[in-house]
Amino acid sequence: DAGITQSPRHKVTETGTPVTLRCHQTENHRYMYWYRQDPGHGLRLIHYSYGVKDTDKGEVSDGYSVSRSKTEDFLLTLESATSSQTSVYFCAISESSLSRNGLAGDNEQFFGPGTRLTVL
Amino acid sequence: KQEVTQIPAALSVPEGENLVLNCSFTDSAIYNLQWFRQDPGKGLTSLLLIQSSQREQTSGRLNASLDKSSGRSTLYIAASQPGDSATYLCAVIGGATNKLIFGTGTLLAVQP
Repeated sequence: DAGITQSPRHKVTETGTPVTLRCHQTENHRYMYWYRQDPGHGLRLIHYSYGVKDTDKGEVSDGYSVSRSKTEDFLLTLESATSSQTSVYFCAISESSLSRNGLAGDNEQFFGPGTRLTVL
Repeated sequence: KQEVTQIPAALSVPEGENLVLNCSFTDSAIYNLQWFRQDPGKGLTSLLLIQSSQREQTSGRLNASLDKSSGRSTLYIAASQPGDSATYLCAVIGGATNKLIFGTGTLLAVQP
């Protein structure tokens, strides 16, 4: 299994409080991703990173920010948590990307164990 | 916008049966397709990745095929076992990004 850990694994917080989730990898992979998983919506990409200090938005980025100061760590921050952000959050990593001419690379993604967040 | 659909949403089979899970996508311009399994309360485990230039991939009792022109992939599980019970997810990467677009999954139950 890929060396991916997430912390905390469970968290209960109140509306309006800031929350930071951490993803740590030991694989030295370049790409890191944050997803959320909700019943009826499946998995949706929040933000991703393609290198240290290089990040971009995903499908559901409103209300979230990310930071990546080291290759191994990718932080997801909810500046002011809302009940709609109650979810299970997954971090993923991958090594290669699509080549510049658009040909497919490997890009197999590996997932962490998840963080269950409840916002009351 | 790429949409990924998995049918059926749930499937129950007796142990030993061969089975097929289906995944369809609306935009055939994909680069990769990846199959995962997810056990209750757990993360996703990557099963197989098929690149756009490939037609199929095999790993043990699993075989995944890809038909880009028809927008379909199938995951074939041979000689199913109770330990295969899980939710199976497919995901595609389309366009010049690394972003996975997921289907909503098929919940498989293999009865002993």
